[in-house]
Amino acid sequence: SAVISQKPSRDICQRGTSLTIQCQVDSQVTMMFWYRQQPGQSLTLIATANQGSEATYESGFVIDKFPISRPNLTFSTLTVSNMSPEDSSIYLCSVENSDRQVSYEQYFGPGTRLTVT
Amino acid sequence: AQKITQTQPGMFVQEKEAVTLDCTYDTSDPSYGLFWYKQPSSGEMIFLIYQGSYDQQNATEGRYSLNFQKARKSANLVISASQLGDSAMYFCAMRERTGFQKLVFGTGTRLLVSP
Repeated sequence: SAVISQKPSRDICQRGTSLTIQCQVDSQVTMMFWYRQQPGQSLTLIATANQGSEATYESGFVIDKFPISRPNLTFSTLTVSNMSPEDSSIYLCSVENSDRQVSYEQYFGPGTRLTVT
Repeated sequence: AQKITQTQPGMFVQEKEAVTLDCTYDTSDPSYGLFWYKQPSSGEMIFLIYQGSYDQQNATEGRYSLNFQKARKSANLVISASQLGDSAMYFCAMRERTGFQKLVFGTGTRLLVSP
């Protein structure tokens, strides 16, 4: 299984500011995913990040609000821009098992717990 | 469109007992995968078990087993010999395999294991 790390693990930010979350994987992966989990809710996919191309955003999420970078096959960043209290959530990075011939397992990082005041 | 339903918002079980967490799904894709994740209060999502739609046998991983009933479109998680550390949120998820499809989650079940 892939080992995924995220930075920061948690942060408290003021409204109107931006926060960039980093995701590092210990192996090369084609697709990386960013999820949001609002308090008491399930996980919602924000976008899919492929190396060398623009991220693909889900309905309700836009690049201006959640810009994503994917400079190489082991790293990605998600920025939460112009934050409001409604952005308070856990943000999780996720990757698929790189060998789809073996399995389709999908793994998650430890998450970034964001509180916006 | 794919859909996941978890009808149990909360479940209680005594330590060392077995517990079943329900999950039903809906899809028109004959090829799909079903997942269960555990989320403790720390917030991390821990992968527990995976079942492919064409897998002949029910998946098992240690104390976790997946009761896969394809005709009924159910994929219940069975935890045997519950431990206090099993207290957490449990999410069922599905991903269709045709084309690129995202992993879709159910609403989760909170499990509380009592001594």
